[in-house]
Amino acid sequence: DFVMTQSPDSLAVSLGERATINCKSSQSVLYPSSNNNYLAWYQQKPGQPPKLLIYWASTRESGVPARFSGSGSGTDFTLTISSLQAEDVAVYYCQQYFNSPWTFGQGTKVEIK
Amino acid sequence: EVQLVQSGAEVKKPGESLTISCKGSGNNFANNWIGWVRQVPGKGLEWMGIIYLDDSDTRYSPSLQGQVTISADKSISTAYLHWGSLKASDSAIYYCARLREEDTSGVFDYWGPGTLVTVSS
Repeated sequence: DFVMTQSPDSLAVSLGERATINCKSSQSVLYPSSNNNYLAWYQQKPGQPPKLLIYWASTRESGVPARFSGSGSGTDFTLTISSLQAEDVAVYYCQQYFNSPWTFGQGTKVEIK
Repeated sequence: EVQLVQSGAEVKKPGESLTISCKGSGNNFANNWIGWVRQVPGKGLEWMGIIYLDDSDTRYSPSLQGQVTISADKSISTAYLHWGSLKASDSAIYYCARLREEDTSGVFDYWGPGTLVTVSS
């Protein structure tokens, strides 16, 4: 199975500051013929289901604020929240869908400093 | 608007059977793949499997194959998750979610609210 490892496990960021979450895959999730990275990011707030933020590593889902961006390729990826808002407090998960079983990272908890 | 409505919370004893459901609305759901994702409260997410509502083509996570059964009734746009004999370790929140219609590659764009299953003697 592809093992997805996120870092850090938690971080506290001041309102308006940048938050950066890393996700490393045990194997590449880049499909060479299409140059697509099979990597998604989700946000989960307490008591709610996950919400899709980013897919293909860097494509924002419709309706997701522009402060959320994804980058990276191959095995190393980053989710950046450019200016943290109070409503961004949540746990964030990366997910690879390159190979079955699809697997998630362990989650990164983002809090306000 | 796409909506996924899941059945209510369940409390069961070890060894009992259980089926939970996920009904889609707001779309031609027969053409959708619906997946199941497990989350032990306070823990991470685990993909369990997916089913194509139109023909019930099903794919399981290898670690769960044989432990659960995923099925569907396309006439009512509903997917099901069934256990024949529950274990305490099956206690979790079970989410259903729809694969993105545009590419069905493995990204879940709509999620149900979750069904909490508690298995305890």
